[in-house]
Amino acid sequence: DVKVTQSSRYLVKRTGEKVFLECVQDMDHENMFWYRQDPGLGLRLIYFSYDVKMKEKGDIPEGYSVSREKKERFSLILESASTNQTSMYLCASSFPGTSNEQYFGPGTRLTVT
Amino acid sequence: DQQVKQNSPSLSVQEGRISILNCDYTNSMFDYFLWYKKYPAEGPTFLISISSIKDKNEDGRFTVFLNKSAKHLSLHIVPSQPGDSAVYFCAATLNQFYFGTGTSLTVIP
Repeated sequence: DVKVTQSSRYLVKRTGEKVFLECVQDMDHENMFWYRQDPGLGLRLIYFSYDVKMKEKGDIPEGYSVSREKKERFSLILESASTNQTSMYLCASSFPGTSNEQYFGPGTRLTVT
Repeated sequence: DQQVKQNSPSLSVQEGRISILNCDYTNSMFDYFLWYKKYPAEGPTFLISISSIKDKNEDGRFTVFLNKSAKHLSLHIVPSQPGDSAVYFCAATLNQFYFGTGTSLTVIP
């Protein structure tokens, strides 16, 4: 069974804080993704990674950065959190190829006050 | 610019009847289409997919139809069950996944 875990289910941070969201998968997937989900906007891709130390910008990378030092771990970093980054953050992983389904973690509900 | 759209934010259906969820897309180059289901406080889970070279794919109670000329995708659930109540996202792939905005399905017992 594929498992994607995220470090926190709920997180509350203050404006200007540096925030780390961690994601770990146990299926040896090459691809990993970070999305945010907002009402009426669906899932929007922030960053993705096809391999260790590789990263690609998604549709909304502004205000975020990522790190992938090991194959199983993909971190999302908010350098200076802002209130408009309050959202549900979802991590996913998959094998290469767009026909392969993505497996999602349970999500982190981040509130920036 | 939303390349994948789900124009119905919500849908209510009686248990045992058919649920039809719709999805429209703009890019004719998309090669795969997928449906995901999401319960509250959980991540989305894969439901069913279809290649752009096909027009129908069936898996138990779930059937996905693809109309390429209309750039339209639909998911049929027959018969609908209360456990199907969830948010459904369609997605299309090219070099990355593009997700729709989701449709919240409520199946009334």
